Amino acid sequence: DTTVKQNPRYKLARVGKPVNLICSQTMNHDTMYWYQKKPNQAPKLLLFYYDKILNREADTFEKFQSSRPNNSFCSLYIGSAGLEYSAMYLCASSRDRGAETLYFGSGTRLTVL
Amino acid sequence: QQKVQQSPESLSVPEGGMASFNCTSSDRNFQYFWWYRQHSGEGPKALMSIFSDGDKKEGRFTAHLNKASLHVSLHIRDSQPSDSALYFCAASDLNAYKVIFGKGTHLHVLP
Repeated sequence: DTTVKQNPRYKLARVGKPVNLICSQTMNHDTMYWYQKKPNQAPKLLLFYYDKILNREADTFEKFQSSRPNNSFCSLYIGSAGLEYSAMYLCASSRDRGAETLYFGSGTRLTVL
Repeated sequence: QQKVQQSPESLSVPEGGMASFNCTSSDRNFQYFWWYRQHSGEGPKALMSIFSDGDKKEGRFTAHLNKASLHVSLHIRDSQPSDSALYFCAASDLNAYKVIFGKGTHLHVLP
């Protein structure tokens, strides 16, 4: 079973309000990723967990937080949403890190108003 | 600057035809490649990986990698309407454990 689930599928948020997105995987994968996808742009890596170690990209370091309470779950937290956060957020997992295939969820479409 | 460049942006082929995609990495650290496919309403799904020079064939799909130029291509023979999707090239940097994606190529297979 290669399943990555994301909740919710669609989310509306107000400018300045917090946003929390959830991802789960049932494959016992060590690594979980969050990507941001905007129209006509490449999926942008925001951060990833390898086991309990969080790695955040330098240019998004202060904008996104994440937690991984156990191997199966990973969240993405935005403390104060701005209009520029409107995007599709894709969660993925892989067995290990490095040259590994990523398994993606269907994404959460966030609209900030 | 995008580390992974894809071309073309969009491609239309007749049913039964050959679809070809190109991808180049501008960073020599990123030299392990994948092709992913995303249908509307779904997340990307891996089609195939290629890490060594030369061709790799899986059914109707053939990938070709030239490590010297960091260029990888994907060819789909006998294209079907169900192949219509967004195709991403992805590259991995083993040292930093990152996987970076290109913008993607929209494929339209015309019945």
